[in-house]
Amino acid sequence: EVQLVESGGGLIQPGGSLRLSCAASGFIVSSYYMSWVRQAPGKGLEWVSIIYSGGGIYQADSVKGRFTISRDNSKNTLYLQMNSLRAEDTAVYYCARLRCGSCPFDFWGQGTLVTVSS
Amino acid sequence: EIVLTQSPGTLSLSPGERATLSCRASQSVSTSYLAWYQQKRGQAPRLLIYGASSRATGIPDRFSGSGSGTDFTLTITRLEPEDFAVYYCQQYGSFWTFGQGTKVEIK
Repeated sequence: EVQLVESGGGLIQPGGSLRLSCAASGFIVSSYYMSWVRQAPGKGLEWVSIIYSGGGIYQADSVKGRFTISRDNSKNTLYLQMNSLRAEDTAVYYCARLRCGSCPFDFWGQGTLVTVSS
Repeated sequence: EIVLTQSPGTLSLSPGERATLSCRASQSVSTSYLAWYQQKRGQAPRLLIYGASSRATGIPDRFSGSGSGTDFTLTITRLEPEDFAVYYCQQYGSFWTFGQGTKVEIK
């Protein structure tokens, strides 16, 4: 059974750092494209970052230079390192799987809430 | 960046009625790389439709998608109680962007 389980969210002060994890089971993370998508409270969905099966990486302009996506193949886990956090980064962060770069997000985790506030 | 605009913002309907949701793109979506997702309160989004008109695995046939270029539609032929939710369109032909969502609520 395919599962994605996010963790690492919490309350953090502006300017702080946080690392989110997404543990996968039922498939091999490195064989797929993996992405992070966020949703601010009461708002819509926003794509954040993606890592290709071949290792290529892209980020949304809103997080470029501050967030870094990575994966640990030995742990079958996806990560999102978030630095210089701002209030507008407050959101539920979902990890999601794609079969290719021009494919939809076919499976999502349950999300982890990040709250940036002093 | 391709901007997706969904309408209406809210659709108030009764169970058994037909729902028609619209998604308009600011420029043509290549090769109909357009998907629809359903999100219920407190849950992650779920893929319903991809390639503008193909149903994802396990999605009932009361859900259908159509359209091409810049205009796309999601139709739910007969609303079931579990269909009341928020629906998002997404294009994945040029990076990945989402519409702002349409809420289908019980009238």
